[in-house]
Amino acid sequence: DAGVTQSPTHLIKTRGQQVTLRCSPISGHKSVSWYQQVLGQGPQFIFQYYEKEERGRGNFPDRFSARQFPNYSSELNVNALLLGDSALYLCASSRRQGSNQPQHFGDGTRLSIL
Amino acid sequence: AQKITQTQPGMFVQEKEAVTLDCTYDTSDQSYGLFWYKQPSSGEMIFLIYQGSYDEQNATEGRYSLNFQKARKSANLVISASQLGDSAMYFCAMREGNFQKLVFGTGTRLLVSP
Repeated sequence: DAGVTQSPTHLIKTRGQQVTLRCSPISGHKSVSWYQQVLGQGPQFIFQYYEKEERGRGNFPDRFSARQFPNYSSELNVNALLLGDSALYLCASSRRQGSNQPQHFGDGTRLSIL
Repeated sequence: AQKITQTQPGMFVQEKEAVTLDCTYDTSDQSYGLFWYKQPSSGEMIFLIYQGSYDEQNATEGRYSLNFQKARKSANLVISASQLGDSAMYFCAMREGNFQKLVFGTGTRLLVSP
């Protein structure tokens, strides 16, 4: 089975622009989470979606939004980009809710803001 | 207060030796899960091992084992017989209750030398 796939792999934007990142979970996985990893730090939780509903939101501004589609794929949107949004954006999927369910991560999208 | 603390920014080990990466956590929940992930320089997060708060036995997965000491709130990762390919960043993470949100530590960079 294919793992979590994210697109694009790299992206360069300028301040003030908008960006959409995409994620396809592992087949059969219904939960998708998004994380932001700034250079030199651990990933920070942005959103979680399960069965197309938002189930969790991290401490990020309203410029960040996401959604999950009927096929369980997901998009992360960031508006009015700032230099500080430069990071690796990771998508993770798991089969269902539950504390013993490992999240499997994609390779990430490296976003650079000029 | 930091929920996950990894006090070793970097560790060095020779090939074929064992190494322990430290992780302490802070939570008031009775139900939680602890995870270790490996992140090579390419960026993907690779799930290594999971320990549930109610698990009585320490988790093991091949060369990886988790030294879980609940009273001390520590969940150290032990890698036996280190290999050159083990060189990477290692992150400890925790999930509380039934939520999918993972809280990560700052990571430990492991370098395995021949």
